[in-house]
Amino acid sequence: AQTVTQSQPEMSVQEAETVTLSCTYDTSESNYYLFWYKQPPSRQMILVIRQEAYKQQNATENRFSVNFQKAAKSFSLKISDSQLGDTAMYFCAFMNTPRGTYKYIFGTGTRLKVLA
Amino acid sequence: DAGVTQSPTHLIKTRGQQVTLRCSPKSGHDTVSWYQQALGQGPQFIFQYYEEEERQRGNFPDRFSGHQFPNYSSELNVNALLLGDSALYLCASSLTGSYGYTFGSGTRLTVV
Repeated sequence: AQTVTQSQPEMSVQEAETVTLSCTYDTSESNYYLFWYKQPPSRQMILVIRQEAYKQQNATENRFSVNFQKAAKSFSLKISDSQLGDTAMYFCAFMNTPRGTYKYIFGTGTRLKVLA
Repeated sequence: DAGVTQSPTHLIKTRGQQVTLRCSPKSGHDTVSWYQQALGQGPQFIFQYYEEEERQRGNFPDRFSGHQFPNYSSELNVNALLLGDSALYLCASSLTGSYGYTFGSGTRLTVV
């Protein structure tokens, strides 16, 4: 069974600085997708960034980038120039699709607090 | 363009009662998935509906059931509520075959 592990329950960072959130996963599949979701107090899960496992190039979205290490099964999120609005819970998620299994497996989350 | 709409936002039920939660998917989406998010945890997959049928199910008891209507909206029903059913219930919709899901803001269920 696939599992997703986030080993940092809480983190804090000063505004304008850089922070990295860690995520590891376990799977025997070769084709899958990885995601980082942000969940602010409004509770809605907001997609931050996603990575297709078949792509070697790391995904980037403005201030957000990932370090995808397929062999190590590691998928970390780097937030540059942190802003107060980045304060939220961040969830790493895995999805594999070869058998039509379009469901997420989420980690337990990392609570990020950006300090002014 | 409306996103995913869930109702109600909050509700409180007593142990043993039954509850129905509702979800309207994003316009153009035909697949609805439900997740349970206990306090301090990540969301756990309950089930997925497509073409009015349950296509997949997670590790949840039969007390959890659902339905999808011809307009793609969906309901989640939970019977014989337990204290442990207290959680945030999230609905997510997508277009079948796509891995791009849109989440709603959830229904906070408290069982007392």
